[in-house]
Amino acid sequence: DAKTTQPTSMDCAEGRAANLPCNHSTISGNEYVYWYRQIHSQGPQYIIHGLKNNETNEMASLIITEDRKSSTLILPHATLRDTAVYYCIVRVGNGGGSYIPTFGRGTSLIVHP
Amino acid sequence: KAGVTQTPRYLIKTRGQQVTLSCSPISGHRSVSWYQQTPGQGLQFLFEYFSETQRNKGNFPGRFSGRQFSNSRSEMNVSTLELGDSALYLCASSWGREETQYFGPGTRLLVL
Repeated sequence: DAKTTQPTSMDCAEGRAANLPCNHSTISGNEYVYWYRQIHSQGPQYIIHGLKNNETNEMASLIITEDRKSSTLILPHATLRDTAVYYCIVRVGNGGGSYIPTFGRGTSLIVHP
Repeated sequence: KAGVTQTPRYLIKTRGQQVTLSCSPISGHRSVSWYQQTPGQGLQFLFEYFSETQRNKGNFPGRFSGRQFSNSRSEMNVSTLELGDSALYLCASSWGREETQYFGPGTRLLVL
């Protein structure tokens, strides 16, 4: 499975959009991009995932480049409660086979007042 | 729908002991995966169970084992505990093997 690269930390002002980048240059055609976040040692929370089209849900938007080698998670109006570690992972979405999830270190997002 | 539940939430053991952690997946989910999270190594995959069979395994010693029951509930066991086993142990469930995983709150294990 492809590995991902994320900045170690970012900060954002409350009410502004937070744009979290992720590089996954070795992604395969059948691998999805998933985003999770973890708030202070709680279990990771699923945010969103996508294959090649941009996706949006009530939490965030996911923008995937046309070559699929990178993506950006967008929190449109960040709040203090969005302060967390954000993980970008890629994984096979179908077809079975072995899959070793690799979370990496993620991006620590701090939203400040 | 209730989320993934894990018991116990906190546990203190001493070196050499063994421990069993429990995970109840979201109703209808058949795949359960376990992860270990430590400050030094981050979030690492332990193993995955589907239909009572281990389908995938991470790079952990044989002291770490697990099983899944017919109702999809899962347990993991760590024998001969070491200080380095102190960690947050997370369980995640999904409907199928390649579906979105949803995590439980974790069990925090402290080995003294």
